[in-house]
Amino acid sequence: NAGVTQTPKFQVLKTGQSMTLQCAQDMNHEYMSWYRQDPGMGLRLIHYSVGAGITDQGEVPNGYNVSRSTTEDFPLRLLSAAPSQTSVYFCASSPRSYNSPLHFGNGTRLTVT
Amino acid sequence: AQKVTQAQTEISVVEKEDVTLDCVYETRDTTYYLFWYKQPPSGELVFLIRRNSFDEQNEISGRYSWNFQKSTSSFNFTITASQVVDSAVYFCALNCLTSGTYKYIFGTGTRLKVLA
Repeated sequence: NAGVTQTPKFQVLKTGQSMTLQCAQDMNHEYMSWYRQDPGMGLRLIHYSVGAGITDQGEVPNGYNVSRSTTEDFPLRLLSAAPSQTSVYFCASSPRSYNSPLHFGNGTRLTVT
Repeated sequence: AQKVTQAQTEISVVEKEDVTLDCVYETRDTTYYLFWYKQPPSGELVFLIRRNSFDEQNEISGRYSWNFQKSTSSFNFTITASQVVDSAVYFCALNCLTSGTYKYIFGTGTRLKVLA
């Protein structure tokens, strides 16, 4: 099993550009989420989903959109990138049970200039 | 609101020393889960342990041990006889079932440096 796959691994954008970070899991997990990791800030929840067609905001949702059309995929969209969105992004999934640990992708390092 | 505090930003120890990483959490829920994750220099996030709010039994796994105390809202992690390979950022996380849904809340992490 591939687990949680994130693409791309690295990305450089210019201010104002848009892009989509891809996340796919093959474990049939219902819960998926996006985090950003910044120095001294830990992991902050951007958006999450408890199943196909259901999404909700986390702690830092501004500037990001998500959708969940299938159980497997949970893309994160930046509509107009800003330097403040320079970060490392992690996608994670788990079964729909709050006692389950998260399975993380390997991260995407995004730089916005 | 839920919150996880890891007050130790960075800890440096010499190899073979014991080290304890602190985690303090806040929640009004009576049922919740606590987790520890490790992020080595390679960057991936690795699950270490899970503990539910009804189980205050300490856990030991090799050189790792965890002490959960509801009275102080703490879930501390001790590494005995630390090794260079233990150098990583360690995150504590809380997950509660609130209003029919749930979301994981992470602390800011503690960077552990084990010096040879």
